[in-house]
Amino acid sequence: KNEVEQSPQNLTAQEGEFITINCSYSVGISALHWLQQHPGGGIVSLFMLSSGKKKHGRLIATINIQEKHSSLHITASHPRDSAVYICAVSLYAGGTSYGKLTFGQGTILTVHP
Amino acid sequence: KAGVTQTPRYLIKTRGQQVTLSCSPISGHRSVSWYQQTPGQGLQFLFEYFSETQRNKGNFPGRFSGRQFSNSRSEMNVSTLELGDSALYLCASSLSGVRLETQYFGPGTRLLVL
Repeated sequence: KNEVEQSPQNLTAQEGEFITINCSYSVGISALHWLQQHPGGGIVSLFMLSSGKKKHGRLIATINIQEKHSSLHITASHPRDSAVYICAVSLYAGGTSYGKLTFGQGTILTVHP
Repeated sequence: KAGVTQTPRYLIKTRGQQVTLSCSPISGHRSVSWYQQTPGQGLQFLFEYFSETQRNKGNFPGRFSGRQFSNSRSEMNVSTLELGDSALYLCASSLSGVRLETQYFGPGTRLLVL
């Protein structure tokens, strides 16, 4: 079983819809990251969370440490939001955590006009 | 401030050859991490360097190695290339590589092994 699991793996939406991507993890973490990857490969960091909730524009990320679960919400989705969204965690494991992210398998989001 | 840069962007090699990829971090960042991305395995951590020292290493064979220079630029080397090494190789930099820092990713080097 992977340490980080995302759902769904594929998501198709119509422009304007509210979107939720979920991430569950099975290990102790110090932070959870939401990343966005567009075709071509470049990865952009959207959020880093250690507790609570963060908002940036139409994106909202939440984390529940007790339940080991995080969600990424996109309000009023737009075709330009089409990308792969990746959940990643920084493990709470002392020296072996240096510079290391452990990734979920990603969610492919397609938003149609 | 310039972002993370990686060279070359694309590379074609044949089995048995070796390859060296380069990563220049954001100015002031001293930690550089390397990742491999394949369709089958997704994103996997290769290793991390800080102040010219490898502090952390993923579960990859010894054919994968790296180094970091005094200006924080980093290189990774893959010797005796195998078909399965075809992948997108990404580097990411952060200030010091500790757990509560954002990592900034480069555009990646796409390696094809024939």
